[in-house]
Amino acid sequence: ETGVTQTPRHLVMGMTNKKSLKCEQHLGHNAMYWYKQSAKKPLELMFVYSLEERVENNSVPSRFSPECPNSSHLFLHLHTLQPEDSALYLCASSQGLVGLYEQYFGPGTRLTVT
Amino acid sequence: GENVEQHPSTLSVQEGDSAVIKCTYSDSASNYFPWYKQELGKGPQLIIDIRSNVGEKKDQRIAVTLNKTAKHFSLHITETQPEDSAVYFCAASKANAGKSTFGDGTTLTVKP
Repeated sequence: ETGVTQTPRHLVMGMTNKKSLKCEQHLGHNAMYWYKQSAKKPLELMFVYSLEERVENNSVPSRFSPECPNSSHLFLHLHTLQPEDSALYLCASSQGLVGLYEQYFGPGTRLTVT
Repeated sequence: GENVEQHPSTLSVQEGDSAVIKCTYSDSASNYFPWYKQELGKGPQLIIDIRSNVGEKKDQRIAVTLNKTAKHFSLHITETQPEDSAVYFCAASKANAGKSTFGDGTTLTVKP
């Protein structure tokens, strides 16, 4: 596969469940990002990792827990979510931090919290 | 922090016409301005970007202009085609800041 892949593409979970979203980039990039895209809202940056270290945590509730085991993989661990957390979760990567380098997005995971 | 405003929120044009989407930003230190196209069921895809040392950039039917003094930048699509129908997002960021601030998006519909 090429580019940025995300699994699963769709996820329905109850408020008491624990699940994880997975992102993998095949571009040799050093920075990875999680975004939340809700209807009628701009993309919201959640987390930024550079060289596997978290460099940005944009006031995200603790029920979202990121993990970056290496520069190619990024996870978002979910627990005790709320219905308002239903959204499209997008992963992105860039060669270095955005501003100097272009971002490439994955197709997203459509999350529904029931 | 940075604030990006994007207009219009929806835009409908006839095939072959031009489409223009405008964005303004608030932080004069921002110097990287990408534009993304998001089709249904897909993630945003970078279509063109501009840096603050350049006033205009073109790539076939797509062009972006930047006015640093006024702090606004625009996307121009000429000879629109139905496959240009999508949601377009602008963004602004500072070099190596690690984050972009996105506009709310413009839903472009090109009628055949």
